[in-house]
Amino acid sequence: AQKITQTQPGMFVQEKEAVTLDCTYDTSDQSYGLFWYKQPSSGEMIFLIYQGSYDEQNATEGRYSLNFQKARKSANLVISASQLGDSAMYFCAMRPIKAAGNKLTFGGGTRVLVKP
Amino acid sequence: EAGVAQSPRYKIIEKRQSVAFWCNPISGHATLYWYQQILGQGPKLLIQFQNNGVVDDSQLPKDRFSAERLKGVDSTLKIQPAKLEDSAVYLCASSFWTGGTDTQYFGPGTRLTVL
Repeated sequence: AQKITQTQPGMFVQEKEAVTLDCTYDTSDQSYGLFWYKQPSSGEMIFLIYQGSYDEQNATEGRYSLNFQKARKSANLVISASQLGDSAMYFCAMRPIKAAGNKLTFGGGTRVLVKP
Repeated sequence: EAGVAQSPRYKIIEKRQSVAFWCNPISGHATLYWYQQILGQGPKLLIQFQNNGVVDDSQLPKDRFSAERLKGVDSTLKIQPAKLEDSAVYLCASSFWTGGTDTQYFGPGTRLTVL
């Protein structure tokens, strides 16, 4: 069984500052993938970034970076230079990498509000 | 490339009524997922299709929920009869296996309110 824990229910961040969203996970699988999604108030889940368990380098996508610490089982998302449009719910998710279509397990989410 | 399409976007029904949701995945994506997201929680997988076959429906309340993907493309999720606790956002996602990973891409969701 897999479990994702996001301990921060909500956060305020000042515009143009960086913010770190925490995510810890538990799994017995040796090979797995970690994902972050953004969900604005419109409801759509928007894929942000992916990290494979065997990737040696931390993933980066524009202003998003994933701080992956395998031994600590953490996969924190860092958003640099926050913008007002970053205000949304953020979900950490994981799945085993065994074959096509393994299901995603989601955390409870963190709500981010960017202040001008 | 067009994203995942869902309809309707919003639906309000009374308990014990029936409702159906439609999803059209990204072209070429063999795997299709239906998730239920209750307010304040992360999405929970209801059912997963690989082409037109069911891969995982372990969390689908089969006494009232049903889903089909007859031609391996679009899919319909039905609730009959609806209960108050079915009020949620129903998200459809699709993915394509590249041999290394298959990122799931989500549609806009259908927000269901059961009165």
